Amino acid sequence: DAGVTQSPTHLIKTRGQQVTLRCSPKSGHDTVSWYQQALGQGPQFIFQYYEEEERQRGNFPDRFSGHQFPNYSSELNVNALLLGDSALYLCASSPLDRYSPLHFGNGTRLTVT
Amino acid sequence: GQQLNQSPQSMFIQEGEDVSMNCTSSSIFNTWLWYKQDPGEGPVLLIALYKAGELTSNGRLTAQFGITRKDSFLNISASIPSDVGIYFCAGNPQETSGSRLTFGEGTQLTVNP
Repeated sequence: DAGVTQSPTHLIKTRGQQVTLRCSPKSGHDTVSWYQQALGQGPQFIFQYYEEEERQRGNFPDRFSGHQFPNYSSELNVNALLLGDSALYLCASSPLDRYSPLHFGNGTRLTVT
Repeated sequence: GQQLNQSPQSMFIQEGEDVSMNCTSSSIFNTWLWYKQDPGEGPVLLIALYKAGELTSNGRLTAQFGITRKDSFLNISASIPSDVGIYFCAGNPQETSGSRLTFGEGTQLTVNP
């Protein structure tokens, strides 16, 4: 039973470019959330997707957008990249149940130069 | 936004020693979770707590949901070298639902054989 899978594992982009990160949730999970983890810090919530719609959003600018597909997989898009966007981007999945904890993937390490 | 104060920031212990770390918040949390993150990987769930006063064990790990709902602790007994890693507390503030976790800054644990 595959857990949460993310691609790519590493990515280098130039300031001003756009990036798309991908996530496949754990089997049986229909809710996907994205987190940003800067070096030496805890993850910060970006947004949550359920039934192909954004349901909750953290304190991130509109440059961060996402999408969820009918098979529950998800994409995170970041436009107009800034140096400060360099971070580990984590995808997490769960059933839509407040008592089901999140399962995280191993993340995509994004470096913006 | 919400902040979790996690302490200590780092710990250096000898194999076989017990470890204790804790997390506090200025506001009420509905859930408390403890995750461990190894280098290059995503956070892995250790223990989930859903009720004030709840005390839960997972092998050598024990965690409690504080009675005030504003704190939690994690204890590790008889530490072993593979306990090395970063431990994060996380939780849902009262006004948020399951996917929107607030994370602490982490406790870096080093175990000397």
